[in-house]
Amino acid sequence: GIQVEQSPPDLILQEGANSTLRCNFSDSVNNLQWFHQNPWGQLINLFYIPSGTKQNGRLSATTVATERYSLLYISSSQTTDSGVYFCAGGYGNKLVFGAGTILRVKS
Amino acid sequence: DAGVIQSPRHEVTEMGQEVTLRCKPISGHNSLFWYRQTMMRGLELLIYFNNNVPIDDSGMPEDRFSAKMPNASFSTLKIQPSEPRDSAVYFCASSLGIDEKLFFGSGTQLSVL
Repeated sequence: GIQVEQSPPDLILQEGANSTLRCNFSDSVNNLQWFHQNPWGQLINLFYIPSGTKQNGRLSATTVATERYSLLYISSSQTTDSGVYFCAGGYGNKLVFGAGTILRVKS
Repeated sequence: DAGVIQSPRHEVTEMGQEVTLRCKPISGHNSLFWYRQTMMRGLELLIYFNNNVPIDDSGMPEDRFSAKMPNASFSTLKIQPSEPRDSAVYFCASSLGIDEKLFFGSGTQLSVL
């Protein structure tokens, strides 16, 4: 099956800093999504992005499908950005989740 | 919209007991998923349904686990008998259809003693 590798595994930022999270896939995918799990455990969908670039406020994501990776950019980080960021990819409805990047933003 | 609704939020039970988790997907969504999250294995897809029909249950750990979707607005995940290793957070999620954005419920924290 598809293997999903996320980096870095954890990250500590000072409030206001920018960061880039990466997701690599062992095989091509046609369904790729990014999620944020907040400290209360809620999973929030950030992007559905099998290819191309999308932006939503301070967050943006880029997927290069031919090279099997995706990037999530967080600009001007805030303490509320803390939590775990997951990417998930696969075909159709069968998504495989990465192990996540634990982000901690310090004030 | 109320989002995906799961119940109960927390469940504590003893080994050997039957556990039933419930899920109401977002209205109009045709695909429903059950995931399990543990520290050791991360987020795993257990089973998913399209139009109330189970499509892929290859992630269901063993015969003690079963899932049903009797109608478009309700699904259950049952564990019988439960074991301590079943302790995890169980998430239900739904999407409009195949290959669409996934929306998660708040999860059920299951503890089997």
